[in-house]
Amino acid sequence: DAGVIQSPRHEVTEMGQEVTLRCKPISGHNSLFWYRQTMMRGLELLIYFNNNVPIDDSGMPEDRFSAKMPNASFSTLKIQPSEPRDSAVYFCASSLAAGELFFGEGSRLTVL
Amino acid sequence: SQKIEQNSEALNIQEGKTATLTCNYTNYSPAYLQWYRQDPGRGPVFLLLIRENEKEKRKERLKVTFDTTLKQSLFHITASQPADSATYLCAPLVSGTYKYIFGTGTRLKVLA
Repeated sequence: DAGVIQSPRHEVTEMGQEVTLRCKPISGHNSLFWYRQTMMRGLELLIYFNNNVPIDDSGMPEDRFSAKMPNASFSTLKIQPSEPRDSAVYFCASSLAAGELFFGEGSRLTVL
Repeated sequence: SQKIEQNSEALNIQEGKTATLTCNYTNYSPAYLQWYRQDPGRGPVFLLLIRENEKEKRKERLKVTFDTTLKQSLFHITASQPADSATYLCAPLVSGTYKYIFGTGTRLKVLA
């Protein structure tokens, strides 16, 4: 298996633009997680899905953030409109139940 | 609120020595606790999982302990090598969920 695949790896955009980050989890995994990592706050859980259903989105910063998982092999995290404080590395991870998390390589977002 | 504390300062040790990293948690009773390694520019990689009924877990040169009374986990690397230099993250599981909350990590540097 290729592991968790995220795209894009790097994104530079201007404030106010829409940003869409994509994730393909490992086949057979039933849980998917979106994390955000910054120097100041470390790795924060934004939202997680189980069997494609959002279970806990309490970490989503505000209404500008939304996440979807239309099927077991694809998820998106959207920020609209983006702001400079959204600049961070966004990680997607998948797992089987409460087992180990497999992380993608991350999407580094810079909002100017 | 749930809180996880890891030494925010970097830990420098001499090659061959044992590195000990600490993870303390409050307002939590995790059933599982995981440790991850993260290299610069990469996603975290799973190392070990320990359950609440396990006092200690070993894997090659790695050892993890889990004291649910002290609300603490210790992570040891014996016979440390420069290649062990990385940031190490602990992640207790929120009971009744698949949600792992990460500490901010401890940066370890093994000096040759």
